[in-house]
Amino acid sequence: QKEVEQNSGPLSVPEGAIASLNCTYSDRVSQSFFWYRQYSGKSPELIMSIYSNGDKEDGRFTAQLNKASQYVSLLIRDSQPSDSATYLCAVHDYKLSFGAGTTVTVRA
Amino acid sequence: EAQVTQNPRYLITVTGKKLTVTCSQNMNHEYMSWYRQDPGLGLRQIYYSMNVEVTDKGDVPEGYKVSRKEKRNFPLILESPSPNQTSLYFCASSPDRGNSYEQYFGPGTRLTVT
Repeated sequence: QKEVEQNSGPLSVPEGAIASLNCTYSDRVSQSFFWYRQYSGKSPELIMSIYSNGDKEDGRFTAQLNKASQYVSLLIRDSQPSDSATYLCAVHDYKLSFGAGTTVTVRA
Repeated sequence: EAQVTQNPRYLITVTGKKLTVTCSQNMNHEYMSWYRQDPGLGLRQIYYSMNVEVTDKGDVPEGYKVSRKEKRNFPLILESPSPNQTSLYFCASSPDRGNSYEQYFGPGTRLTVT
């Protein structure tokens, strides 16, 4: 069974700093990779998708994928209190598998 | 507004009393899925459906049933709920964009079985 592992938080960062989230996966045939953000009591929402090796930037978010090392990461630059949430890594080959999530708290 | 809706949002029931959680999407998505979310375990897939009349088991299907008679609806059925099915349930849908499967989630249903 495919495993998706995320660094165990919680992760606390000061406002304006960079939050770094890591995710590793066990299935080498995985094709698509996603980061979801989930606020407390809410449903997950997709914030980043990445399909090929390298970096993908979207505003303050950068996703990095290294298929050879089987890891995907998410960087949040200039962290804001509104970024405080749980971030879920998801990996897809024939179905989507999620990690347990990393909770990020941005201190004002 | 494009959305996935679930009903009910909150449900408290007793062991053994059959229940159905409805899920509907208005985006004409082919793919729909049910997840449960438990603390420390993340989202685990219960069942998924690639299209009408096509359903398959996910990682934790025991104790659940689904059906997909119409493209927009994908109800989750608990024939005889037990306390270990107390959880937060999410329905999700996605268009079949090759291998992308970017999923859109409903608001969640918090189920308590006593």
